[in-house]
Amino acid sequence: GAGVSQSPSNKVTEKGKDVELRCDPISGHTALYWYRQSLGQGLEFLIYFQGNSAPDKSGLPSDRFSAERTGGSVSTLTIQRTQQEDSAVYLCASSFLGGRNAGELFFGEGSRLTVL
Amino acid sequence: QKEVEQNSGPLSVPEGAIASLNCTYSDRGSQSFFWYRQYSGKSPELIMFIYSNGDKEDGRFTAQLNKASQYVSLLIRDSQPSDSATYLCAVNYGGYSTLTFGKGTMLLVSP
Repeated sequence: GAGVSQSPSNKVTEKGKDVELRCDPISGHTALYWYRQSLGQGLEFLIYFQGNSAPDKSGLPSDRFSAERTGGSVSTLTIQRTQQEDSAVYLCASSFLGGRNAGELFFGEGSRLTVL
Repeated sequence: QKEVEQNSGPLSVPEGAIASLNCTYSDRGSQSFFWYRQYSGKSPELIMFIYSNGDKEDGRFTAQLNKASQYVSLLIRDSQPSDSATYLCAVNYGGYSTLTFGKGTMLLVSP
């Protein structure tokens, strides 16, 4: 596809369950980002992958959150033992890094997570 | 702590007016500056970027950067109701760093 693809678009889960969110970036984009956005809030950085470098995990809010990126392409964000405060829209973005182009992010439509 | 500050608004302007959206950032080492537009229920989309001091114009949009004052703004001329959205300011601190986003300013353009 031409854009960043995320799945599922909506996920309702019970507190304590694990969830996986998937992101398929734009082909050829070397950088992949996960952000989350709670209702009425700004974008909160979670994790960043760049090529084969070690990911920047500095934004992950707790050790219940983890992410991987396989083959430099598809990424999965996993939230273990979900809590109600994890409810948010999880946005994936990709970019083709080239110096200043680092900020030209292309976002997917997001995965809306609701934890009951 | 790198911070990007924006007035949450809403900023209300009548159709045809100029909307002025402002953003300040904390780190003098910031290199690249971006404005994203986010319609309600949608994902952010890039509308402007600016790297150098001064103005950059693209259609009805003008981005202004003043690195000495650590200030970046977005002007929307001839505002339209379709411009009603939340505008997110984002800053890149260089190299392979991530973008830091402000919380956004909601713009409402009334017919």
